[in-house]
Amino acid sequence: DIQMTQSPSTLSASVGDRVTITCRASQGISIWLAWYQQKPGKAPNLLIYKASTLESGVPSRFSGSGSGTEFTLTINSLQPDDFATYFCQQYHDYWTFGQGTKIDMK
Amino acid sequence: QVPLKESGPGLVKPSETLSLTCTVSIGSSDSFYWSWIRQVPGKGPECLGFVSPSGGTSYNPSVKDRVTISLVTGKNQFSLRLTSATAADTAVYYCASLKNADYVGWWGQGLLVTVSS
Repeated sequence: DIQMTQSPSTLSASVGDRVTITCRASQGISIWLAWYQQKPGKAPNLLIYKASTLESGVPSRFSGSGSGTEFTLTINSLQPDDFATYFCQQYHDYWTFGQGTKIDMK
Repeated sequence: QVPLKESGPGLVKPSETLSLTCTVSIGSSDSFYWSWIRQVPGKGPECLGFVSPSGGTSYNPSVKDRVTISLVTGKNQFSLRLTSATAADTAVYYCASLKNADYVGWWGQGLLVTVSS
């Protein structure tokens, strides 16, 4: 199976910061990667698919990049609503999610 | 209106079959593949598999021998059956639609299922 490893597990940040989350795949997955945001007690919400395509309605401060085995999610100018947990998911071979990165307030 | 909603028992005994139903209100499309995803609190989600609009299925190898996902004929519903449940199957279960069997476009609100005697 393809394993997805996110780093860091927790990230402390302030409103206005630029934050970057990394997701590494155990083998190449081309660009078949999605990013989700999840808030406590809620289902995840799709942010980005095909590594860098922004889902409709998602603010443009979110961006994704990468291909192969290394991917990043960047949030420019972190907003209060962005404090949440973020997951990556590969869909190259079945589906595997990362373990999550929680962004909390510094 | 919630586009997908899970229903079923919140408590299942060990060794019994976990059965859930998802009611869909977002219409249908050839690009919507209906899926079940579970998540242990504090962990990443795990996709169990999907059923296609034509009824074809694909399952995660981790549960392939125990899982069945199927369309409910004549209703805007699909179902999950997971046999021989153990405590390791305790999780929040989401029904969802996979866009082209890839990423999740729509999620249900989730249903906590506990496997315990």
